[in-house]
Amino acid sequence: DIVMTQSPDSLAVSLGERATINCKSSQSVLYSPSNKNYLAWFQQKPGQPPKLLIYWSSTRDSGVPDRFSGSGSGTDFTLTISSLQAEDVAVYYCQQYSSTPRTFGQGTKLEIK
Amino acid sequence: QVQLVQSGAEVKKPGASVKVSCKSSGYTFTSYYIHWVRQAPGQGLEWMGIINPSDDTITYAQKFQGRVTVTSDTSTSTVYMELSSLRSDDTAVYYCARDHVGLTYYWGQGTLVTVSS
Repeated sequence: DIVMTQSPDSLAVSLGERATINCKSSQSVLYSPSNKNYLAWFQQKPGQPPKLLIYWSSTRDSGVPDRFSGSGSGTDFTLTISSLQAEDVAVYYCQQYSSTPRTFGQGTKLEIK
Repeated sequence: QVQLVQSGAEVKKPGASVKVSCKSSGYTFTSYYIHWVRQAPGQGLEWMGIINPSDDTITYAQKFQGRVTVTSDTSTSTVYMELSSLRSDDTAVYYCARDHVGLTYYWGQGTLVTVSS
C-alpha cells in the first residue's frame, strides 16, 4: 500500500497570509506515459463530506477559488492557499489514486492565528 | 446534477451487521465506479473498497476482506455496503463516492453507524 504522510498535522495562519501543506507518498504516484500525478487534495469542514479541491496534483476542480493551488511531482506535493480566508478553516487531506487501495494522508487541521 | 443519497443513521450491537445504501442520480449509473470510505469520530479517511456497477467487479481493502460486502442494483441505481461482525471501532461515518478518473469525486452525505452494547 502507498502510505501518504502530511505535514504539519496542524497549522495556524493569519487572515490574508499564505498557508502551505505538504504531502509525501511512499512510492511515486507519477504515471510516466501520461506524465500525470495521481494526487488529489480535499477540504473537509465539520459535519460535511470531503470536497475535492485539486486533482492531477495541480488541476483545480470547477468552482474552486484560485487562491488554492497544488504543486509537486513523484512523491512530494504541496497545497498552497495564497491568502487565507476565514472560510478556509478546515481539515485538508491528500489522496493518491495511482493504485488500490486508495490511501489518504492523516489530515492537516488549518486554523486562524 | 450528480447526487448520491445515503440511508440514515444506524445503531447496532457488537457482532451484528449493518447495510448502508447509496442511491445515485444525475448520471448513467453503470458508467462510473463507486467507492466506499469511512471516517471514525475525530479521525481521518479510510478507503474500504470499490465496485464497478456495470459488471459488479469489486476490490476491497485488505483490512476489510471477509467482513465487507459491496453490491449494486442497476434497477434502482443503488449500491450497498454491508459490514459484518461489527465492533466498537467500526463506529464511523460511512461515505459512498462516485469515481472520476480514479478518484473519489462526488460524495454522499455520509451515514453514521454507531456500534454500542
